[in-house]
Amino acid sequence: SAVISQKPSRDICQRGTSLTIQCQVDSQVTMMFWYRQQPGQSLTLIATANQGSEATYESGFVIDKFPISRPNLTFSTLTVSNMSPEDSSIYLCSVSIGSSYNEQFFGPGTRLTVL
Amino acid sequence: GQQLNQSPQSMFIQEGEDVSMNCTSSSIFNTWLWYKQDPGEGPVLLIALYKAGELTSNGRLTAQFGITRKDSFLNISASIPSDVGIYFCAGLGYGNKLVFGAGTILRVKS
Repeated sequence: SAVISQKPSRDICQRGTSLTIQCQVDSQVTMMFWYRQQPGQSLTLIATANQGSEATYESGFVIDKFPISRPNLTFSTLTVSNMSPEDSSIYLCSVSIGSSYNEQFFGPGTRLTVL
Repeated sequence: GQQLNQSPQSMFIQEGEDVSMNCTSSSIFNTWLWYKQDPGEGPVLLIALYKAGELTSNGRLTAQFGITRKDSFLNISASIPSDVGIYFCAGLGYGNKLVFGAGTILRVKS
């Protein structure tokens, strides 16, 4: 497996502001992903963070709202832009490792509350 | 898109009881994963299944990959209080993207 850390672990933000969440992995990984988990819900994939190129977004998520950076194989950031209370969620990064990238491991998550 | 139906939605357990939950889908998956999430934490991978019909154990946990590749179950034997949490199934689909079930909440019967 891999050791994944996220910063911040939680934050309370005002509507209209932006928050950047960092994800750091202790080893180089090919695939990194960002998920959203709304209160009491399951996990939904936001995007695949691609190293050296633009992230690949899932239906319903756009780059202007959730810009993602992946400058190297151990680090990625997700920004939640122009926040509204509906953005209050847990945001999780994950990494896919193994010879077939079949196993995904998750960071501890960032709990975001927007007032 | 691909969807997973996970059941039961929630259940109460008494220490020592066996627990069973399952996931079904109309789509085929090549890998099934089972996760547990504790409050304030990210999901932790419990078991990964790679082949249709595969039965895999991890301590008191046993999971099977359905022969049709459209379903999987997870059993927990002789449950203990620390088994409480939310269990998610996930299927690895197109583009190595995980599709998650809605989760099964395990609570302790008082």
